[in-house]
Amino acid sequence: GENVEQHPSTLSVQEGDSAVIKCTYSDSASNYFPWYKQELGKGPQLIIDIRSNVGEKKDQRIAVTLNKTAKHFSLHITETQPEDSAVYFCAASPLNYKLSFGAGTTVTVRA
Amino acid sequence: GAVVSQHPSRVICKSGTSVKIECRSLDFQATTMFWYRQFPKQSLMLMATSNEGSKATYEQGVEKDKFLINHASLTLSTLTVTSAHPEDSSFYICSASSQSSYNEQFFGPGTRLTVL
Repeated sequence: GENVEQHPSTLSVQEGDSAVIKCTYSDSASNYFPWYKQELGKGPQLIIDIRSNVGEKKDQRIAVTLNKTAKHFSLHITETQPEDSAVYFCAASPLNYKLSFGAGTTVTVRA
Repeated sequence: GAVVSQHPSRVICKSGTSVKIECRSLDFQATTMFWYRQFPKQSLMLMATSNEGSKATYEQGVEKDKFLINHASLTLSTLTVTSAHPEDSSFYICSASSQSSYNEQFFGPGTRLTVL
């Protein structure tokens, strides 16, 4: 099955700086790569996703890049704000529509 | 659009009792629903996948007789934890997808189960 690795496990950034989280996946059949933000006690919230026919996607301060050859994808958050503090999960989905999640990254934005 | 609700949001029960958690897609028809379990400071672990009108498919290591899943309609799936024990205490999250959403899953807010 699919195996997703996510780094780093924790990330502390100064408000206004950028945050980058990286994930690798193992199954070359994976074609959907979503990123989720989870706040304490809540369900995951989709913040951005990318499909395998696209190399990069941007939505305001958030961007995701995908390198299918190397099997890795990254989340970039620019101009971080305190409300960006949360746990972020990457995931990969092959053709069976199941999501395999990374271990998560706890992001802390220091004011 | 694409809202998924769960009920209850929090439940406390005694060891040996059964607990039912509901997952509803409020504004779309969910052909597939997924149930996840999340322990503190850990990632989401898929427990089972259910398609409307079919038996659920359980992931390896998940006891199907302990975690009963029913997906009787296109908007409702239920997870029943039977004979719950303290080690079943966890955060249970459902998600739903439709034929038109491709791989995208819409997640519910989760249910915190505490077994005393």
